[in-house]
Amino acid sequence: QLVLTQSPSASASLGASVKLTCTLSSGHSSYAIAWHQQQPEKGPRYLMKLNSDGSHSKGDGIPDRFSGSSSGAERYLTISSLQSEDEADYYCQTWGTGMVFGGGTKLTVL
Amino acid sequence: EVQLVESGGGLVQPGRSLRLSCAASGFTFDDYAMHWVRQAPGKGLEWVSGISWNSGSIGYADSVKGRFTISRDNAKNSLYLQMNSLRAEDTALYYCAKDITAGTIVFDAFDIWGQGTMVTVSS
Repeated sequence: QLVLTQSPSASASLGASVKLTCTLSSGHSSYAIAWHQQQPEKGPRYLMKLNSDGSHSKGDGIPDRFSGSSSGAERYLTISSLQSEDEADYYCQTWGTGMVFGGGTKLTVL
Repeated sequence: EVQLVESGGGLVQPGRSLRLSCAASGFTFDDYAMHWVRQAPGKGLEWVSGISWNSGSIGYADSVKGRFTISRDNAKNSLYLQMNSLRAEDTALYYCAKDITAGTIVFDAFDIWGQGTMVTVSS
């Protein structure tokens, strides 16, 4: 079964970097994913599509501070030079045998 | 400007029906698959249904299969979700979303989202 697993919460200080993780279920380590950001009281916003080889294509207007990488079944979103507006929920998404979202990670900027 | 605007939400009694609409602009609507995604209050995102550019491929989440019907009118740049036999657990903010890749019947990542329309199922 295709499942995405995310930690419920993460925190980092203003100006620092943070790396969020999305883990694909067993047997699905070759799958691409997408990362989406949802700021409080807003609709989701597409950040990037991330392939298993770590290559990624970002959405229009997404700052260079946002980058993606991959290792095995894990997909990462790294945000550098954290700003207050980065405080949001981050969701990963994948597709194939169904369309699946991870449970989301709530990022707090301290 | 690429935009998706949902409408049609509201308060409805359990067992009744509701039809959601999504108006698309700023891109060639009939090139792309489209989707409905919902978010219950305080919860995460849940894919509801998707439809390919030519309506040839349609998928539903198990939680809505047999009750919801997705459709599109490419001449009107519009996506629809007919929701029947509504339940309390269908209460959510419903988002319309655009597939990232043109011209395929296989679903892909979403690159454009609307702002959502709220559906509340309660007596």
